[in-house]
Amino acid sequence: KQEVTQIPAALSVPEGENLVLNCSFTDSAIYNLQWFRQDPGKGLTSLLLIQSSQREQTSGRLNASLDKSSGRSTLYIAASQPGDSATYLCAVRGPTYNTDKLIFGTGTRLQVFP
Amino acid sequence: GAVVSQHPSRVICKSGTSVKIECRSLDFQATTMFWYRQFPKKSLMLMATSNEGSKATYEQGVEKDKFLINHASLTLSTLTVTSAHPEDSSFYICSALTGGKNIQYFGAGTRLSVL
Repeated sequence: KQEVTQIPAALSVPEGENLVLNCSFTDSAIYNLQWFRQDPGKGLTSLLLIQSSQREQTSGRLNASLDKSSGRSTLYIAASQPGDSATYLCAVRGPTYNTDKLIFGTGTRLQVFP
Repeated sequence: GAVVSQHPSRVICKSGTSVKIECRSLDFQATTMFWYRQFPKKSLMLMATSNEGSKATYEQGVEKDKFLINHASLTLSTLTVTSAHPEDSSFYICSALTGGKNIQYFGAGTRLSVL
């Protein structure tokens, strides 16, 4: 059974810092991995999607990497801003023989203070 | 980008009543939709997978008769919480899966409060 874990569970940093959020998964046979952002009481916004054949994806100040063999992904946030404060969730689809389900991690609650 | 509309965003009901939540894919056809439940400060828990024109597949521990799912068209899935009780109070989120790239888009969620 696939399990997804995120470290740290919570993070509080001053504005301007570069951040790394970690995601690990137990079954490396994934189809793809997504990073989401969730604001309090809201739905999810997809940030980055990495296919299993890819190593990284970038969007603006965000960079996500994937090391499928070791079961790890990282989300790098450059020059953090107070508007980045939210919960960040990673989720994997797979294993490959069952690609319909997204299995979510436990989330990292990020607070960026001015 | 693709949009998933979920309605209502918030509902307060009395214990014993039934509540229906709608999930619509606005600009794409979704043969597969998902329903998640989220407890405060917790991650999303998949409740069921809804396929258009067939019965939903429920995850272990989720009561089929309690959480009725109907996926009658390629753009609409509904979740009905039957005979709601206070322990059903939670945040429910729907999601629709696009073809091809296997990308899921999420609704804004429904906050259910059962008194």
